[in-house]
Amino acid sequence: DSGVTQTPKHLITATGQRVTLRCSPRSGDLSVYWYQQSLDQGLQFLIQYYNGEERAKGNILERFSAQQFPDLHSELNLSSLELGDSALYFCASSVGGGGANTGELFFGEGSRLTVL
Amino acid sequence: AQSVTQLDSQVPVFEEAPVELRCNYSSSVSVYLFWYVQYPNQGLQLLLKYLSGSTLVKGINGFEAEFNKSQTSFHLRKPSVHISDTAEYFCAVRSGGYQKVTFGTGTKLQVIP
Repeated sequence: DSGVTQTPKHLITATGQRVTLRCSPRSGDLSVYWYQQSLDQGLQFLIQYYNGEERAKGNILERFSAQQFPDLHSELNLSSLELGDSALYFCASSVGGGGANTGELFFGEGSRLTVL
Repeated sequence: AQSVTQLDSQVPVFEEAPVELRCNYSSSVSVYLFWYVQYPNQGLQLLLKYLSGSTLVKGINGFEAEFNKSQTSFHLRKPSVHISDTAEYFCAVRSGGYQKVTFGTGTKLQVIP
């Protein structure tokens, strides 16, 4: 058990819909990362938050947004869903966002999104 | 910019045989390097990491990796694999000053009985 909790574990929805994925980081971790894993794209970095502020942005679509709340949990919002958004979405956390952060990530078990 | 290349998408190997999973990275600054393992239907977990110091790094489950700065490589090795090592392995890099961790495309290790 990594200590990172993601909900829901599975989600099935239709094209055009909007979903929210939730992540609770390990106790004490300030950074939260979101990754998308699909068969054709591999593991793609989406976005990182540190203590409520956006720190780094990857290949995140404009239809997707994220935030980190004062209690450090994070949510990834996916809207106007397309078939190609079907993937496993991982949240990971790490200790810090600056020099103390060596990059070691602790991953949740993922949220599997299926868009029909 | 930083990047990671895992040339082998799949590596089949017989049980108790040695294995090497290759990883090459690209970065213009000092790096932190990682290997993660993903078992079926699970998240990724850290296998080992290189931060500084000795270039030979030992991890969990008998795996080790060697950091080679001149060849910009961080290959993962195990002298004798077990069926339970069947999983997907990801190499990752974080460059000094960059916040994001970049992952390779993964190598599926299939251990054959």
